[in-house]
Amino acid sequence: GDSVTQMEGPVTLSEEAFLTINCTYTATGYPSLFWYVQYPGEGLQLLLKATKADDKGSNKGFEATYRKETTSFHLEKGSVQVSDSAVYFCALSRNAGNMLTFGGGTRLMVKP
Amino acid sequence: DVKVTQSSRYLVKRTGEKVFLECVQDMDHENMFWYRQDPGLGLRLIYFSYDVKMKEKGDIPEGYSVSREKKERFSLILESASTNQTSMYLCASFSAGRNTEAFFGQGTRLTVV
Repeated sequence: GDSVTQMEGPVTLSEEAFLTINCTYTATGYPSLFWYVQYPGEGLQLLLKATKADDKGSNKGFEATYRKETTSFHLEKGSVQVSDSAVYFCALSRNAGNMLTFGGGTRLMVKP
Repeated sequence: DVKVTQSSRYLVKRTGEKVFLECVQDMDHENMFWYRQDPGLGLRLIYFSYDVKMKEKGDIPEGYSVSREKKERFSLILESASTNQTSMYLCASFSAGRNTEAFFGQGTRLTVV
Protein backbone atom coordinates (compact mmCIF):
# COMPACT_ATOMS: atom_id res chain seq x y z
CA GLY A 1 0.00 0.00 0.00
CA ASP A 2 0.89 3.66 -0.03
CA SER A 3 3.34 4.97 2.54
CA VAL A 4 5.21 8.14 3.43
CA THR A 5 8.46 8.27 5.35
CA GLN A 6 9.86 11.45 6.80
CA MET A 7 12.81 12.17 8.99
CA GLU A 8 12.28 11.83 12.69
CA GLY A 9 12.54 14.87 14.86
CA PRO A 10 12.78 16.95 16.72
CA VAL A 11 14.80 19.22 14.49
CA THR A 12 16.27 22.11 16.44
CA LEU A 13 17.65 25.11 14.58
CA SER A 14 18.72 28.64 15.33
CA GLU A 15 16.83 31.51 13.75
CA GLU A 16 17.89 32.22 10.14
CA ALA A 17 19.31 28.72 9.67
CA PHE A 18 18.58 26.65 6.57
CA LEU A 19 15.93 23.95 6.92
CA THR A 20 15.54 20.63 5.16
CA ILE A 21 13.00 18.01 6.18
CA ASN A 22 13.28 14.86 4.11
CA CYS A 23 10.24 13.02 2.78
CA THR A 24 10.07 9.95 0.57
CA TYR A 25 7.02 8.05 -0.57
CA THR A 26 5.88 4.72 -1.95
CA ALA A 27 2.83 4.69 -4.18
CA THR A 28 1.72 3.32 -7.50
CA GLY A 29 0.81 5.68 -10.29
CA TYR A 30 1.14 9.42 -9.93
CA PRO A 31 0.18 10.69 -6.50
CA SER A 32 -0.22 14.29 -5.50
CA LEU A 33 2.13 15.37 -2.71
CA PHE A 34 1.52 17.75 0.16
CA TRP A 35 3.14 19.34 3.15
CA TYR A 36 0.84 20.19 6.07
CA VAL A 37 1.84 22.17 9.15
CA GLN A 38 0.41 21.94 12.66
CA TYR A 39 1.09 24.89 14.95
CA PRO A 40 0.80 24.30 18.71
CA GLY A 41 -2.77 23.72 19.81
CA GLU A 42 -4.18 23.80 16.29
CA GLY A 43 -5.30 21.43 13.57
CA LEU A 44 -3.36 20.83 10.37
CA GLN A 45 -3.29 23.34 7.56
CA LEU A 46 -1.99 23.00 4.04
CA LEU A 47 1.45 24.53 3.55
CA LEU A 48 2.12 23.61 -0.09
CA LYS A 49 1.42 20.97 -2.69
CA ALA A 50 2.61 19.56 -6.02
CA THR A 51 0.46 17.51 -8.33
CA LYS A 52 2.89 16.18 -10.95
CA ALA A 53 6.54 15.33 -11.42
CA ASP A 54 8.99 18.28 -11.36
CA ASP A 55 6.34 20.63 -9.95
CA LYS A 56 7.57 22.93 -7.21
CA GLY A 57 5.19 23.93 -4.45
CA SER A 58 5.97 27.06 -2.47
CA ASN A 59 4.42 29.13 0.29
CA LYS A 60 5.64 31.40 3.13
CA GLY A 61 9.27 30.89 2.04
CA PHE A 62 8.97 27.09 2.09
CA GLU A 63 9.58 25.06 -1.06
CA ALA A 64 9.38 21.43 -2.10
CA THR A 65 9.95 19.81 -5.50
CA TYR A 66 8.19 16.63 -6.66
CA ARG A 67 11.00 14.27 -7.67
CA LYS A 68 9.57 11.15 -9.24
CA GLU A 69 12.94 9.59 -9.99
CA THR A 70 13.83 9.58 -6.28
CA THR A 71 10.22 9.42 -5.00
CA SER A 72 10.93 12.39 -2.78
CA PHE A 73 9.34 15.68 -1.75
CA HIS A 74 11.79 17.33 0.62
CA LEU A 75 10.75 20.54 2.38
CA GLU A 76 13.22 23.44 2.44
CA LYS A 77 13.38 26.98 3.73
CA GLY A 78 16.35 29.28 3.41
CA SER A 79 15.98 31.15 6.70
CA VAL A 80 13.71 29.87 9.46
CA GLN A 81 12.01 32.02 12.07
CA VAL A 82 10.87 31.28 15.60
CA SER A 83 7.30 31.42 14.30
CA ASP A 84 8.02 28.40 12.06
CA SER A 85 8.19 26.16 15.13
CA ALA A 86 5.56 23.51 14.48
CA VAL A 87 5.05 19.91 13.42
CA TYR A 88 5.35 19.29 9.67
CA PHE A 89 3.62 16.40 7.92
CA CYS A 90 4.35 15.08 4.46
CA ALA A 91 1.39 13.40 2.77
CA LEU A 92 0.24 11.92 -0.51
CA SER A 93 -3.09 11.49 -2.19
CA ARG A 94 -3.60 8.93 -4.91
CA ASN A 95 -7.25 8.19 -5.36
CA ALA A 96 -10.18 10.27 -6.48
CA GLY A 97 -11.49 10.46 -2.95
CA ASN A 98 -8.51 12.57 -1.93
CA MET A 99 -7.72 10.29 0.96
CA LEU A 100 -4.43 11.40 2.45
CA THR A 101 -1.66 9.09 3.62
CA PHE A 102 0.58 10.86 6.14
CA GLY A 103 4.14 10.49 7.30
CA GLY A 104 4.94 10.39 10.99
CA GLY A 105 5.49 14.13 11.34
CA THR A 106 8.63 16.11 12.14
CA ARG A 107 8.72 18.58 14.99
CA LEU A 108 10.71 21.73 14.23
CA MET A 109 11.94 23.93 17.06
CA VAL A 110 13.54 27.26 16.15
CA LYS A 111 15.47 29.08 18.85
CA PRO A 112 16.11 32.84 18.84
CA ASP B 1 -13.71 32.01 6.66
CA VAL B 2 -14.09 28.30 6.06
CA LYS B 3 -14.39 26.12 9.08
CA VAL B 4 -14.30 22.60 10.39
CA THR B 5 -15.47 22.58 13.98
CA GLN B 6 -15.00 19.77 16.46
CA SER B 7 -17.33 19.86 19.43
CA SER B 8 -14.73 19.49 22.18
CA ARG B 9 -11.06 20.40 22.52
CA TYR B 10 -10.49 18.19 25.55
CA LEU B 11 -12.46 15.21 26.80
CA VAL B 12 -11.95 12.81 29.69
CA LYS B 13 -13.99 9.61 29.73
CA ARG B 14 -14.03 6.41 31.75
CA THR B 15 -13.25 2.96 30.39
CA GLY B 16 -16.37 1.36 28.98
CA GLU B 17 -18.24 4.61 28.31
CA LYS B 18 -19.80 5.32 24.93
CA VAL B 19 -18.14 8.42 23.49
CA PHE B 20 -19.34 10.70 20.70
CA LEU B 21 -16.97 13.05 18.86
CA GLU B 22 -18.77 15.53 16.63
CA CYS B 23 -17.46 17.33 13.56
CA VAL B 24 -19.27 19.99 11.54
CA GLN B 25 -18.09 21.72 8.35
CA ASP B 26 -19.62 24.73 6.66
CA MET B 27 -18.09 24.32 3.19
CA ASP B 28 -20.65 21.93 1.67
CA HIS B 29 -17.88 19.34 1.22
CA GLU B 30 -18.81 15.84 0.15
CA ASN B 31 -15.86 14.06 1.78
CA MET B 32 -15.22 13.88 5.49
CA PHE B 33 -12.58 11.93 7.39
CA TRP B 34 -11.62 10.99 10.93
CA TYR B 35 -7.95 10.53 11.81
CA ARG B 36 -6.19 9.82 15.06
CA GLN B 37 -2.81 11.35 15.76
CA ASP B 38 -0.24 9.67 17.97
CA PRO B 39 3.40 10.66 18.53
CA GLY B 40 5.71 9.05 15.98
CA LEU B 41 2.81 7.45 14.10
CA GLY B 42 1.54 10.51 12.30
CA LEU B 43 -2.12 10.55 11.33
CA ARG B 44 -3.92 7.26 10.79
CA LEU B 45 -7.26 7.08 9.04
CA ILE B 46 -10.12 5.63 11.09
CA TYR B 47 -13.17 6.12 8.86
CA PHE B 48 -14.25 8.29 5.98
CA SER B 49 -17.43 9.22 4.18
CA TYR B 50 -18.03 10.35 0.60
CA ASP B 51 -21.66 11.25 1.04
CA VAL B 52 -24.56 11.30 3.44
CA LYS B 53 -25.21 7.88 4.98
CA MET B 54 -22.10 6.46 3.31
CA LYS B 55 -19.08 5.29 5.26
CA GLU B 56 -15.91 3.39 4.56
CA LYS B 57 -13.37 1.85 6.90
CA GLY B 58 -9.92 3.33 7.00
CA ASP B 59 -6.73 1.73 8.28
CA ILE B 60 -7.68 1.38 11.96
CA PRO B 61 -11.49 1.10 12.31
CA GLU B 62 -11.56 -1.43 15.15
CA GLY B 63 -13.37 -0.11 18.21
CA TYR B 64 -14.92 2.80 16.30
CA SER B 65 -18.03 3.51 14.28
CA VAL B 66 -19.29 6.61 12.48
CA SER B 67 -22.51 8.32 11.52
CA ARG B 68 -23.26 10.77 8.73
CA GLU B 69 -26.94 11.66 8.73
CA LYS B 70 -26.40 15.16 7.30
CA LYS B 71 -23.82 16.38 4.81
CA GLU B 72 -22.25 18.86 7.19
CA ARG B 73 -21.89 16.55 10.20
CA PHE B 74 -19.70 13.49 10.68
CA SER B 75 -19.66 11.80 14.07
CA LEU B 76 -17.10 9.37 15.44
CA ILE B 77 -18.37 6.90 18.04
CA LEU B 78 -16.34 4.87 20.49
CA GLU B 79 -18.77 2.12 21.46
CA SER B 80 -16.89 1.17 24.64
CA ALA B 81 -13.92 3.41 25.31
CA SER B 82 -10.62 1.80 26.25
CA THR B 83 -7.37 3.30 27.48
CA ASN B 84 -5.62 2.54 24.18
CA GLN B 85 -8.02 4.97 22.52
CA THR B 86 -6.48 7.86 24.41
CA SER B 87 -5.30 10.06 21.55
CA MET B 88 -5.78 13.24 19.54
CA TYR B 89 -8.65 12.93 17.06
CA LEU B 90 -8.75 15.10 13.96
CA CYS B 91 -11.63 15.60 11.57
CA ALA B 92 -11.06 16.78 8.00
CA SER B 93 -13.19 17.63 5.00
CA PHE B 94 -12.48 17.94 1.27
CA SER B 95 -14.53 18.90 -1.71
CA ALA B 96 -14.91 16.25 -4.42
CA GLY B 97 -12.41 16.25 -7.27
CA ARG B 98 -8.68 15.75 -7.48
CA ASN B 99 -5.98 17.58 -5.58
CA THR B 100 -8.24 19.73 -3.50
CA GLU B 101 -7.14 21.02 -0.12
CA ALA B 102 -8.12 19.26 3.09
CA PHE B 103 -9.44 21.42 5.92
CA PHE B 104 -8.91 20.19 9.46
CA GLY B 105 -10.62 20.86 12.73
CA GLN B 106 -8.60 21.84 15.79
CA GLY B 107 -8.67 18.35 17.19
CA THR B 108 -10.13 16.67 20.25
CA ARG B 109 -7.71 15.35 22.82
CA LEU B 110 -9.43 12.37 24.38
CA THR B 111 -8.19 10.78 27.58
CA VAL B 112 -9.72 7.48 28.68
CA VAL B 113 -9.11 6.65 32.32
